Amino acid sequence: GIQVEQSPPDLILQEGANSTLRCNFSDSVNNLQWFHQNPWGQLINLFYIPSGTKQNGRLSATTVATERYSLLYISSSQTTDSGVYFCAATGTASKLTFGTGTRLQVTL
Amino acid sequence: DAGVTQSPTHLIKTRGQQVTLRCSPISGHKSVSWYQQVLGQGPQFIFQYYEKEERGRGNFPDRFSARQFPNYSSELNVNALLLGDSALYLCASSLTLTVAKNIQYFGAGTRLSVL
Repeated sequence: GIQVEQSPPDLILQEGANSTLRCNFSDSVNNLQWFHQNPWGQLINLFYIPSGTKQNGRLSATTVATERYSLLYISSSQTTDSGVYFCAATGTASKLTFGTGTRLQVTL
Repeated sequence: DAGVTQSPTHLIKTRGQQVTLRCSPISGHKSVSWYQQVLGQGPQFIFQYYEKEERGRGNFPDRFSARQFPNYSSELNVNALLLGDSALYLCASSLTLTVAKNIQYFGAGTRLSVL
């Protein structure tokens, strides 16, 4: 099945800084989603982005399917952005395979 | 509209006991999937159900079972609990089973502690 790798594993930012999170996947994907998991465990959908670029406020994401990677950009980070960011993908089966996540801490 | 709802939110059991977790999908969604997330890792796929039939199973022992009801809600059962079953159990729903544009939406999870 698909393998998903994320980097970096941990990231500490000062409020207002920008960051880029990376997701590499091992095979062609039919679905790629980015999630933010809050401290209570809720997985919040950020983007559905099997290819192309999308933006939502201070967040944007780009997936280059031919090169098997996706990037999540966070601009002007806020303390509320803290948490774990997961990338998850599906191949021919509809189950999501998750990466190990990037733990982001935004400090004042 | 209500999102994916799971109950209970927290549960404490002892080794050897059995547990049932419940999930109600987003209205109109016919597919429900279950994931296990142990501390420090990403969620791992357990089961997928669609139209009351099992459509996918992850690498979990037979102690794990699930079912889906006519109203598309679902239950996950775990028998003979082990300490290693302590985890956050997440339910996700999606409109269909088709892979393309199959966006999955997650509930807040049930946190199971096995003592």
